[in-house]
Amino acid sequence: DSGVTQTPKHLITATGQRVTLRCSPRSGDLSVYWYQQSLDQGLQFLIQYYNGEERAKGNILERFSAQQFPDLHSELNLSSLELGDSALYFCASSEDTDTEAFFGQGTRLTVV
Amino acid sequence: AQTVTQSQPEMSVQEAETVTLSCTYDTSESDYYLFWYKQPPSRQMILVIRQEAYKQQNATENRFSVNFQKAAKSFSLKISDSQLGDAAMYFCAYRSAFQGAQKLVFGQGTRLTINP
Repeated sequence: DSGVTQTPKHLITATGQRVTLRCSPRSGDLSVYWYQQSLDQGLQFLIQYYNGEERAKGNILERFSAQQFPDLHSELNLSSLELGDSALYFCASSEDTDTEAFFGQGTRLTVV
Repeated sequence: AQTVTQSQPEMSVQEAETVTLSCTYDTSESDYYLFWYKQPPSRQMILVIRQEAYKQQNATENRFSVNFQKAAKSFSLKISDSQLGDAAMYFCAYRSAFQGAQKLVFGQGTRLTINP
């Protein structure tokens, strides 16, 4: 167990819908990262937050957004969902911006 | 932009034997980190081993060791005495040491099968 908790573990939703994925980082970790793992794109970095502020952005679609709250948990919001958004979404956390990142178990999103 | 390439989509090895997974990367930076992550069927991403680019000595973690060739931009993973529990997808990853660039860049992965 990495100490990073993601909910829900599985999510099935219809095209056009909006979902929220939640991540609780390890105790004390200030940095949260979101990654998407899909069959065609592999593992791709989406976005990073550090202590509530956006730190880096990767290949994140405009339909996707994220935030990190004062208690350091993070949410990834996916809207206007398309079939191609079906993927495994990972959250990772690290104590600081240059220390090891530990991954949660991921949320499997299926868009039908 | 940095890229990571794993040229072996699948590998198999007999239990108790040794196997080496290949990884090459491309970067213009001189300071960075390299990682091997394991993803078993449970899909959890588990850090196997880490290498700092400024260190000449190859990292070792129990049965896992790396061969880091900085000039060749090569970073292979050797698994000794393979066990059934080693069966998984293995991902090579790169991270810049530059402050503000902490994202991991992953290769496409190598699926490792252990034959009993």
